[in-house]
Amino acid sequence: KAGVTQTPRYLIKTRGQQVTLSCSPISGHRSVSWYQQTPGQGLQFLFEYFSETQRNKGNFPGRFSGRQFSNSRSEMNVSTLELGDSALYLCASSSGLQETQYFGPGTRLLVL
Amino acid sequence: SQQGEEDPQALSIQEGENATMNCSYKTSINNLQWYRQNSGRGLVHLILIRSNEREKHSGRLRVTLDTSKKSSSLLITASRAADTASYFCATGGLIQGAQKLVFGQGTRLTINP
Repeated sequence: KAGVTQTPRYLIKTRGQQVTLSCSPISGHRSVSWYQQTPGQGLQFLFEYFSETQRNKGNFPGRFSGRQFSNSRSEMNVSTLELGDSALYLCASSSGLQETQYFGPGTRLLVL
Repeated sequence: SQQGEEDPQALSIQEGENATMNCSYKTSINNLQWYRQNSGRGLVHLILIRSNEREKHSGRLRVTLDTSKKSSSLLITASRAADTASYFCATGGLIQGAQKLVFGQGTRLTINP
Protein backbone atom coordinates (compact mmCIF):
# COMPACT_ATOMS: atom_id res chain seq x y z
CA LYS A 1 0.00 0.00 0.00
CA ALA A 2 1.17 3.50 -0.74
CA GLY A 3 1.80 5.66 2.30
CA VAL A 4 0.33 9.00 3.22
CA THR A 5 1.25 11.68 0.71
CA GLN A 6 1.29 15.42 1.24
CA THR A 7 1.58 18.19 -1.28
CA PRO A 8 3.34 20.47 -1.66
CA ARG A 9 6.40 19.48 0.34
CA TYR A 10 7.70 23.03 0.67
CA LEU A 11 5.96 26.34 0.47
CA ILE A 12 6.98 29.97 0.90
CA LYS A 13 4.29 32.59 1.46
CA THR A 14 4.14 36.14 2.70
CA ARG A 15 2.16 37.51 5.62
CA GLY A 16 -1.50 38.04 4.86
CA GLN A 17 -1.68 35.42 2.14
CA GLN A 18 -3.58 32.19 2.44
CA VAL A 19 -2.40 28.66 1.81
CA THR A 20 -3.96 25.28 1.11
CA LEU A 21 -2.21 22.04 1.93
CA SER A 22 -3.29 18.64 0.66
CA CYS A 23 -3.15 15.16 2.15
CA SER A 24 -3.96 11.81 0.59
CA PRO A 25 -4.38 9.06 3.19
CA ILE A 26 -3.51 5.41 2.92
CA SER A 27 -6.04 3.60 0.78
CA GLY A 28 -8.96 2.47 2.90
CA HIS A 29 -8.27 4.88 5.74
CA ARG A 30 -11.17 7.17 6.53
CA SER A 31 -9.62 9.27 9.29
CA VAL A 32 -7.25 12.12 8.56
CA SER A 33 -5.64 14.22 11.27
CA TRP A 34 -3.52 17.34 10.96
CA TYR A 35 -0.71 18.46 13.26
CA GLN A 36 1.49 21.52 13.40
CA GLN A 37 5.10 21.16 14.49
CA THR A 38 7.21 24.12 15.55
CA PRO A 39 10.45 24.30 17.56
CA GLY A 40 8.72 26.28 20.30
CA GLN A 41 5.38 24.52 20.68
CA GLY A 42 6.29 21.05 19.46
CA LEU A 43 3.66 18.85 17.88
CA GLN A 44 0.15 20.18 18.27
CA PHE A 45 -3.11 18.69 17.10
CA LEU A 46 -5.10 20.81 14.67
CA PHE A 47 -8.14 18.73 13.73
CA GLU A 48 -9.37 15.33 12.63
CA TYR A 49 -11.80 14.38 9.88
CA PHE A 50 -13.63 11.11 9.46
CA SER A 51 -15.97 10.41 6.57
CA GLU A 52 -16.06 14.10 5.61
CA THR A 53 -16.99 15.22 9.14
CA GLN A 54 -14.76 17.05 11.59
CA ARG A 55 -14.70 14.86 14.69
CA ASN A 56 -12.18 16.72 16.79
CA LYS A 57 -10.53 20.10 16.84
CA GLY A 58 -7.49 21.46 18.60
CA ASN A 59 -6.96 24.87 20.12
CA PHE A 60 -6.15 26.91 17.03
CA PRO A 61 -7.72 30.13 15.74
CA GLY A 62 -10.43 30.09 13.12
CA ARG A 63 -7.87 30.99 10.44
CA PHE A 64 -7.06 27.30 10.40
CA SER A 65 -9.69 25.22 8.67
CA GLY A 66 -9.93 21.94 6.90
CA ARG A 67 -12.16 19.65 4.96
CA GLN A 68 -12.32 16.11 3.76
CA PHE A 69 -13.61 14.82 0.47
CA SER A 70 -15.59 11.69 -0.28
CA ASN A 71 -12.40 9.88 -1.34
CA SER A 72 -10.94 10.67 2.14
CA ARG A 73 -8.41 13.13 0.77
CA SER A 74 -8.14 16.16 3.00
CA GLU A 75 -7.10 19.75 2.69
CA MET A 76 -6.25 22.28 5.33
CA ASN A 77 -6.36 25.99 4.75
CA VAL A 78 -4.70 28.79 6.65
CA SER A 79 -5.94 32.28 5.89
CA THR A 80 -4.26 35.60 6.66
CA LEU A 81 -0.90 33.99 7.31
CA GLU A 82 1.25 35.19 10.19
CA LEU A 83 4.96 34.73 10.74
CA GLY A 84 4.19 32.31 13.55
CA ASP A 85 2.42 29.98 11.15
CA SER A 86 5.81 28.92 9.81
CA ALA A 87 5.94 25.25 10.68
CA LEU A 88 5.99 21.69 9.50
CA TYR A 89 2.41 20.58 8.90
CA LEU A 90 1.90 16.86 9.26
CA CYS A 91 -1.02 14.82 8.11
CA ALA A 92 -1.79 11.38 9.55
CA SER A 93 -4.28 8.77 8.54
CA SER A 94 -5.84 5.80 10.27
CA SER A 95 -8.76 3.49 9.74
CA GLY A 96 -10.65 5.53 12.31
CA LEU A 97 -11.18 2.51 14.46
CA GLN A 98 -7.58 1.94 15.51
CA GLU A 99 -5.21 3.92 17.67
CA THR A 100 -2.14 3.98 15.44
CA GLN A 101 -1.75 6.85 13.03
CA TYR A 102 0.40 6.82 9.90
CA PHE A 103 2.10 10.07 9.08
CA GLY A 104 2.98 11.71 5.80
CA PRO A 105 6.33 13.44 5.17
CA GLY A 106 4.88 16.84 5.98
CA THR A 107 4.63 20.21 4.28
CA ARG A 108 7.16 22.77 5.42
CA LEU A 109 5.62 26.23 5.32
CA LEU A 110 7.71 29.36 5.60
CA VAL A 111 5.92 32.67 6.06
CA LEU A 112 7.96 35.77 5.27
CA SER B 1 -0.25 22.19 26.07
CA GLN B 2 1.81 19.02 26.00
CA GLN B 3 0.54 15.96 27.82
CA GLY B 4 3.86 14.19 27.90
CA GLU B 5 7.18 15.39 29.14
CA GLU B 6 10.22 13.54 27.94
CA ASP B 7 13.53 13.07 29.56
CA PRO B 8 16.25 13.60 28.59
CA GLN B 9 15.70 16.25 25.92
CA ALA B 10 18.86 15.07 24.18
CA LEU B 11 20.91 11.90 24.43
CA SER B 12 24.19 11.05 22.74
CA ILE B 13 25.66 7.54 22.95
CA GLN B 14 28.09 5.27 21.16
CA GLU B 15 26.91 2.77 18.60
CA GLY B 16 26.16 -0.54 20.22
CA GLU B 17 25.12 0.96 23.55
CA ASN B 18 21.59 0.94 24.88
CA ALA B 19 19.46 4.10 24.87
CA THR B 20 16.72 4.78 27.39
CA MET B 21 14.17 7.57 27.08
CA ASN B 22 11.48 8.41 29.59
CA CYS B 23 8.06 9.96 29.24
CA SER B 24 5.75 11.26 31.92
CA TYR B 25 2.14 12.25 31.38
CA LYS B 26 -0.53 14.00 33.39
CA THR B 27 -3.94 12.42 32.91
CA SER B 28 -5.26 8.86 32.80
CA ILE B 29 -4.72 7.12 29.49
CA ASN B 30 -6.07 4.27 27.39
CA ASN B 31 -2.73 3.71 25.72
CA LEU B 32 0.62 5.31 25.09
CA GLN B 33 2.48 5.28 21.79
CA TRP B 34 6.04 5.97 20.75
CA TYR B 35 6.96 7.54 17.43
CA ARG B 36 10.27 8.29 15.73
CA GLN B 37 11.02 11.29 13.53
CA ASN B 38 14.07 11.55 11.33
CA SER B 39 15.39 15.06 10.78
CA GLY B 40 12.14 17.04 10.50
CA ARG B 41 10.31 14.49 8.40
CA GLY B 42 7.17 12.50 9.06
CA LEU B 43 6.67 10.43 12.19
CA VAL B 44 6.95 6.66 12.16
CA HIS B 45 4.92 4.62 14.63
CA LEU B 46 7.13 2.36 16.74
CA ILE B 47 5.00 0.72 19.38
CA LEU B 48 1.73 1.05 21.29
CA ILE B 49 1.26 -0.10 24.86
CA ARG B 50 -2.17 -0.28 26.45
CA SER B 51 -2.95 0.88 29.96
CA ASN B 52 -3.38 -2.70 31.18
CA GLU B 53 0.04 -3.74 29.88
CA ARG B 54 3.28 -3.25 31.79
CA GLU B 55 5.86 -4.15 29.17
CA LYS B 56 5.99 -4.68 25.44
CA HIS B 57 8.75 -5.70 23.03
CA SER B 58 9.26 -5.14 19.33
CA GLY B 59 12.61 -6.16 17.89
CA ARG B 60 15.26 -4.06 19.66
CA LEU B 61 12.62 -1.91 21.33
CA ARG B 62 11.29 -2.43 24.82
CA VAL B 63 8.61 -0.22 26.28
CA THR B 64 7.42 -0.17 29.85
CA LEU B 65 4.41 1.56 31.31
CA ASP B 66 3.77 2.43 34.93
CA THR B 67 0.29 3.91 35.21
CA SER B 68 0.66 4.51 38.96
CA LYS B 69 3.57 6.84 38.25
CA LYS B 70 2.12 8.05 34.95
CA SER B 71 5.36 7.25 33.18
CA SER B 72 6.73 5.17 30.35
CA SER B 73 10.19 4.33 29.10
CA LEU B 74 11.54 3.33 25.72
CA LEU B 75 14.68 1.23 25.58
CA ILE B 76 16.57 0.74 22.33
CA THR B 77 19.13 -2.02 22.64
CA ALA B 78 22.32 -2.38 20.61
CA SER B 79 21.89 1.05 19.03
CA ARG B 80 22.82 1.73 15.42
CA ALA B 81 23.65 4.91 13.55
CA ALA B 82 20.27 4.62 11.81
CA ASP B 83 18.56 5.03 15.20
CA THR B 84 19.64 8.68 15.23
CA ALA B 85 16.32 10.54 15.35
CA SER B 86 13.89 12.29 17.65
CA TYR B 87 11.59 10.07 19.68
CA PHE B 88 8.17 11.16 20.89
CA CYS B 89 5.70 9.64 23.25
CA ALA B 90 2.04 10.30 22.56
CA THR B 91 -1.12 9.77 24.53
CA GLY B 92 -4.71 9.94 23.46
CA GLY B 93 -5.52 8.03 20.33
CA LEU B 94 -9.13 7.12 19.80
CA ILE B 95 -11.21 8.86 22.46
CA GLN B 96 -14.99 8.95 22.31
CA GLY B 97 -14.87 8.04 18.66
CA ALA B 98 -12.43 10.77 17.65
CA GLN B 99 -8.72 10.61 16.97
CA LYS B 100 -6.31 12.91 18.77
CA LEU B 101 -2.72 12.39 19.80
CA VAL B 102 -1.01 14.59 22.37
CA PHE B 103 2.74 14.53 22.01
CA GLY B 104 5.61 15.17 24.36
CA GLN B 105 8.46 17.47 23.39
CA GLY B 106 10.60 14.55 22.34
CA THR B 107 14.08 13.21 22.99
CA ARG B 108 16.74 13.85 20.37
CA LEU B 109 18.91 10.74 20.16
CA THR B 110 22.33 10.80 18.48
CA ILE B 111 24.23 7.58 17.90
CA ASN B 112 27.94 8.15 17.42
CA PRO B 113 29.86 5.66 15.26
